[in-house]
Amino acid sequence: SAVISQKPSRDICQRGTSLTIQCQVDSQVTMMFWYRQQPGQSLTLIATANQGSEATYESGFVIDKFPISRPNLTFSTLTVSNMSPEDSSIYLCSVRPLGNEQFFGPGTRLTVL
Amino acid sequence: QQQVKQSPQSLIVQKGGISIINCAYENTAFDYFPWYQQFPGKGPALLIAIRPDVSEKKEGRFTISFNKSAKQFSLHIMDSQPGDSATYVCAASRQGGSEKLVFGKGTKLTVNP
Repeated sequence: SAVISQKPSRDICQRGTSLTIQCQVDSQVTMMFWYRQQPGQSLTLIATANQGSEATYESGFVIDKFPISRPNLTFSTLTVSNMSPEDSSIYLCSVRPLGNEQFFGPGTRLTVL
Repeated sequence: QQQVKQSPQSLIVQKGGISIINCAYENTAFDYFPWYQQFPGKGPALLIAIRPDVSEKKEGRFTISFNKSAKQFSLHIMDSQPGDSATYVCAASRQGGSEKLVFGKGTKLTVNP
């Protein structure tokens, strides 16, 4: 398994501002993902964070809105840019150390006013 | 083709009863089926997973049943306890490190004392 920490755990932000969420893993992992979880909805994959190259975004998500950095195999950041109330959600970092087993961080609960 | 449909949306069970949550998938190429348990304010935690070479997998009070012909799998929680109260999320994917999980919408389980 993997131990994942996220900062901040929650935040309340004003519309138009940006928030950067950090994800730290206790071991080196190749596969790292960012998800969004909204009430009543399935976990939605935003992007795969690739070490040393640009993230791979899913349909409906763009780099300008959700820039991602992955400087090494244990750390990544997700920025939610120019926020609106519709961005209020839980954002989750996830890793897949080996095979299919995938583990999630504790999440960052974002509220945009 | 990529959906995983989960039911029921919510479930209330008495202590000591059996909780049953069902998921159905469409993509016949899926061959990895995990269940996650999520407590409020926490990220999803991998609970148990099954591959289609077996029809059932049991870990303690938790059992996954798998019906390949019906493209369905279910989670059974025996002797349900108040501490089992959480949201349970099913998922499916193909095996392989780069394959993406497709998630159900979750079932909120409440176990009354």
